[in-house]
Amino acid sequence: DTAVSQTPKYLVTQMGNDKSIKCEQNLGHDTMYWYKQDSKKFLKIMFSYNNKELIINETVPNRFSPKSPDKAHLNLHINSLELGDSAVYFCASSQYPANIQYFGAGTRLSVL
Amino acid sequence: TQLLEQSPQFLSIQEGENLTVYCNSSSVFSSLQWYRQEPGEGPVLLVTVVTGGEVKKLKRLTFQFGDARKDSSLHITAAQPGDTGLYLCAGAGGSSNTGKLIFGQGTTLQVKP
Repeated sequence: DTAVSQTPKYLVTQMGNDKSIKCEQNLGHDTMYWYKQDSKKFLKIMFSYNNKELIINETVPNRFSPKSPDKAHLNLHINSLELGDSAVYFCASSQYPANIQYFGAGTRLSVL
Repeated sequence: TQLLEQSPQFLSIQEGENLTVYCNSSSVFSSLQWYRQEPGEGPVLLVTVVTGGEVKKLKRLTFQFGDARKDSSLHITAAQPGDTGLYLCAGAGGSSNTGKLIFGQGTTLQVKP
């Protein structure tokens, strides 16, 4: 069983479209995160939720909206996709904030 | 703004050679983590160092946290082709203990047989 799973693994879409990436963890963790890794492999935190409450909200365009329906799920919805949104998006989870983070395999988003 | 400067960005060496990757900052971190990322996968935690001056060993990998908790190094002895991958350092940043990690730019290591 994969601990942190993301879907889809690959997402190719046109500029201006709206898309969602889903993340689920079966580790019983309280905290989940979204990261963006750019083409130079630089990994940057976007959002974090603890017990469904937003605790980290970095400087991210408001076209990005995270949603946590329950502790095991953290989805990322992106409106009006732009070319610069092309990247690999990673979901991660930890038992609680500041504990070890476990990463999913990533979703490679390509905006054409 | 907390930043971590990681060097070198790329390293290509022969099997059996030793190497060191550095992670430096002007900021103090409560802990520093090292991750390894394979192509098409997410980062996987190798080690966390917490105390200034701490040294941890993981087989042929030696991790050190600077005395002032601003820098860290990863030393690999007798590198193997299986060590090939992207190595990332990450500092636990923020004053509110939110779990926010500040990542370095990464070091892509290629070990040739």
